[in-house]
Amino acid sequence: DIQMTQSPSSLSASVGDRVTITCRASQDIFNYLAWYQQKPGKVPKLLIYAASTLQSGVPSRFSGSGSETDFTLTISSLQPEDVATYYCQKCNSAPWTFGQGTKVEIK
Amino acid sequence: EVQLVESGGGLVQLGGSLRLSCAGSGFSFRTYEMNWVRQAPGKGLEWLSFISSSGSAIYYADSVKGRFTISRDNARNSVYLQMNSLRAGDTAIYYCARVTYDILTGYYPDYWGQGTLVTVSS
Repeated sequence: DIQMTQSPSSLSASVGDRVTITCRASQDIFNYLAWYQQKPGKVPKLLIYAASTLQSGVPSRFSGSGSETDFTLTISSLQPEDVATYYCQKCNSAPWTFGQGTKVEIK
Repeated sequence: EVQLVESGGGLVQLGGSLRLSCAGSGFSFRTYEMNWVRQAPGKGLEWLSFISSSGSAIYYADSVKGRFTISRDNARNSVYLQMNSLRAGDTAIYYCARVTYDILTGYYPDYWGQGTLVTVSS
C-alpha cells in the first residue's frame, strides 16, 4: 500500500507568515491528492483537491502544488482562524490513506 | 444544502457489535460514492471503507477487514457500517463522507457528517 508522510508534524508561526506543509507519497499518485483542514473539535473540511484545485469558498491564501510523489500546501499569510490540523489524503484508489497530520499554531 | 447525519454510536462492550447509519440529504444520494472515516481520541484521520454509488464496489482498510461491513440503501438515502468484534482500539468518532469522483481528480470526500462517537469498553 502507498504510504503518505507529512512534514512537519507541527509548526508555530506568526500571523502573516507564509506557511508550507509537505506531503510525500511512497509511490506516484499523479495529482490525486486532497488537503483537509480540521479545526479543534470540528469536522474536517476539504480545502484542495487534485493537488491544486481550491474547493469553492476556501480563501485564496490557501494553495496546493505538486505531482507524482511530492506535494505542498501553502498558506500565504497565516491568519488566527487558520489554527488547525491539516491532513493530506491520496485520492486515486483504495486504500485512501491520510497523512498523519500537521498541527499549525500561532506563535 | 448537502447534509450527512450519522447515528448509532454509543457505548459497547469489548467484542460487541454496533451498526452505524448515515442519512444523506440535499443531493442525489444514489449517484455518489460514500466513505466511512474515523478518528480516535487525539489521533489523526483513518479511512475505513468505501462503497460505490451502486454498491457494487466495496473496499476496506486492513484494520477493519473481516469485522466491519459497509452497505447502502439508495431508496433510503443511507449508508451503513456494521461493526462486529469490536476492540478497544475501535473507540473513535466515526464520520461518513460523500465522495466526489472525476477521472481527472480522483475520489475525494467533499462533505462530511458531524460524526458519531463509538466507545468500546471492557
